[in-house]
Amino acid sequence: QKEVEQDPGPLSVPEGAIVSLNCTYSNSAFQYFMWYRQYSRKGPELLMYTYSSGNKEDGRFTAQVDKSSKYISLFIRDSQPSDSATYLCAMRTYQFYFGTGTSLTVIP
Amino acid sequence: DTAVSQTPKYLVTQMGNDKSIKCEQNLGHDTMYWYKQDSKKFLKIMFSYNNKELIINETVPNRFSPKSPDKAHLNLHINSLELGDSAVYFCASSHEGSGELFFGEGSRLTVL
Repeated sequence: QKEVEQDPGPLSVPEGAIVSLNCTYSNSAFQYFMWYRQYSRKGPELLMYTYSSGNKEDGRFTAQVDKSSKYISLFIRDSQPSDSATYLCAMRTYQFYFGTGTSLTVIP
Repeated sequence: DTAVSQTPKYLVTQMGNDKSIKCEQNLGHDTMYWYKQDSKKFLKIMFSYNNKELIINETVPNRFSPKSPDKAHLNLHINSLELGDSAVYFCASSHEGSGELFFGEGSRLTVL
């Protein structure tokens, strides 16, 4: 079993939709939970990170962590074509573990 | 100013050749990493250095040798390149124990 599981998609939504991206994990020792956005032919860019269970909001993005269920989510409100990218979840103990990424396309 | 910069961005080379990728970070971080990203976008850790000391060395062929001359630099040398080495290699850096990992733009290696 992989440390971090993420549905690869692809996910295609109309502009303005709410997008939900999810990851599950098996290691209860994970402390930090992160979401990265990666545009084609670019490096992953840190979007949000959280340390504990609960919600964290930043503009149109909300990160949610449920440690009891070992489940994290990223919500994107009012999605824009510029949100089209691959989204990677990541977690860490002494090293970082990444999901396989979900490819998102927002259609104008 | 680019926080994590790596060069070159593109390498195209023949099987059997040796190549190097350089990485520099100006964030003042103490830990640097090399990741390999395959065609399916999966990021796999290769090496991690903390204050110039190797702390993570995943199952990577001996043909790959990292070198950290100082905290701000981590280079990757690859000997006897094989077709399967074709991938995008990312350098990254963080403070030890931090949840924030910053990536460079990647070096796309193509082995013919």
